[in-house]
Amino acid sequence: QKEVEQDPGPLSVPEGAIVSLNCTYSNSAFQYFMWYRQYSRKGPELLMYTYSSGNKEDGRFTAQVDKSSKYISLFIRDSQPSDSATYLCAMQTTGNQFYFGTGTSLTVIP
Amino acid sequence: GAVVSQHPSWVICKSGTSVKIECRSLDFQATTMFWYRQFPKQSLMLMATSNEGSKATYEQGVEKDKFLINHASLTLSTLTVTSAHPEDSSFYICSAGDRLGFYGYTFGSGTRLTVV
Repeated sequence: QKEVEQDPGPLSVPEGAIVSLNCTYSNSAFQYFMWYRQYSRKGPELLMYTYSSGNKEDGRFTAQVDKSSKYISLFIRDSQPSDSATYLCAMQTTGNQFYFGTGTSLTVIP
Repeated sequence: GAVVSQHPSWVICKSGTSVKIECRSLDFQATTMFWYRQFPKQSLMLMATSNEGSKATYEQGVEKDKFLINHASLTLSTLTVTSAHPEDSSFYICSAGDRLGFYGYTFGSGTRLTVV
């Protein structure tokens, strides 16, 4: 079983839709949770970083962590064509071991 | 915010030659740098972790003699692909962390290597 599971998609939505991206994990040692956005042929860009269960909002993005279910989500409201990218979840232990999901490819259609 | 500069952004080399990729932290001291490899439509695969002033720790299956990593200063780490072959063609990305422990926090822009 992989440390981090993420549906690779692809996911295609119309402009303005709410997008939900999800990852599950099995390692209880994960304490820090991140979402990265990666455009084609570019390095990943950090979108959200959180370390506690609950929601964290930043503009159109909301990161949700449920440690009891070992489940994290990223919601994108009012999605835009510029949001089209691959979204990677990442998790980090207190021992600084770092794991990525496989990434979900998102296309927002104008 | 933290910035990591990676060069070159793309390189084409002949089979059998060596290629060096640089990763610099511009506004913070990177005590740890990570090197990743990414094939098309796949996620990042950690190759090695390097701490400033010490030898890199390689992931299982990564040839340390082929992928030479040097982290001689707190702002610079290099990855040298030696005797490159076409199967080494990939997207290589570095990531740097600072003393605060937010490892893997900031990524470079990546280097696309094509070996012909």
